[in-house]
Amino acid sequence: KAGVTQTPRYLIKTRGQQVTLSCSPISGHRSVSWYQQTPGQGLQFLFEYFSETQRNKGNFPGRFSGRQFSNSRSEMNVSTLELGDSALYLCASSFLAGGRYEQYFGPGTRLTVT
Amino acid sequence: SQQGEEDPQALSIQEGENATMNCSYKTSINNLQWYRQNSGRGLVHLILIRSNEREKHSGRLRVTLDTSKKSSSLLITASRAADTASYFCATDGGLTGGGADGLTFGKGTHLIIQP
Repeated sequence: KAGVTQTPRYLIKTRGQQVTLSCSPISGHRSVSWYQQTPGQGLQFLFEYFSETQRNKGNFPGRFSGRQFSNSRSEMNVSTLELGDSALYLCASSFLAGGRYEQYFGPGTRLTVT
Repeated sequence: SQQGEEDPQALSIQEGENATMNCSYKTSINNLQWYRQNSGRGLVHLILIRSNEREKHSGRLRVTLDTSKKSSSLLITASRAADTASYFCATDGGLTGGGADGLTFGKGTHLIIQP
């Protein structure tokens, strides 16, 4: 089975721009979660989508949004980028929703905001 | 906010020795998971232990869970250079419990295995 894939792997953007990151889950997985990882804050939960519905959301501003398509692929969007948004963005897929099951992580997208 | 707190923050040992990492958490949980991350890459799931389990083994890994103390430990036996990585515990309890907030990760233990 192919693993979780994320595109692009690296991205450099300028403050004020917006960015869209993509995640393709493992075949058959309907849950996709997104996490932000920074040296200061560590790994923080952004949101989870299950069957095209946002199931829950972490404590992030409204500039962070996402969606999930009928094939379970997910995108997250960050508008009006700030320097503090520089981070490794990880997505994870799981067969069922919620944190009660092991999650399979993609390699991440490294976003640098200048 | 961080749920788990790993201890120590960093650990350096000789190849062949055992490595023990600890994790403490704050809220009630359904399960606790351990993940490994190699240098800025994605996380790899190692082991999941449910709240009604006390100990679990997987190859060279041994995980214990003490829900009364809200703590867990990960033991890696006979360490190898390839075990060099950051190790994170993650709980599903989050702030409100019940898996509503996804996984909540600790800050991790950076393990270095010296050849």
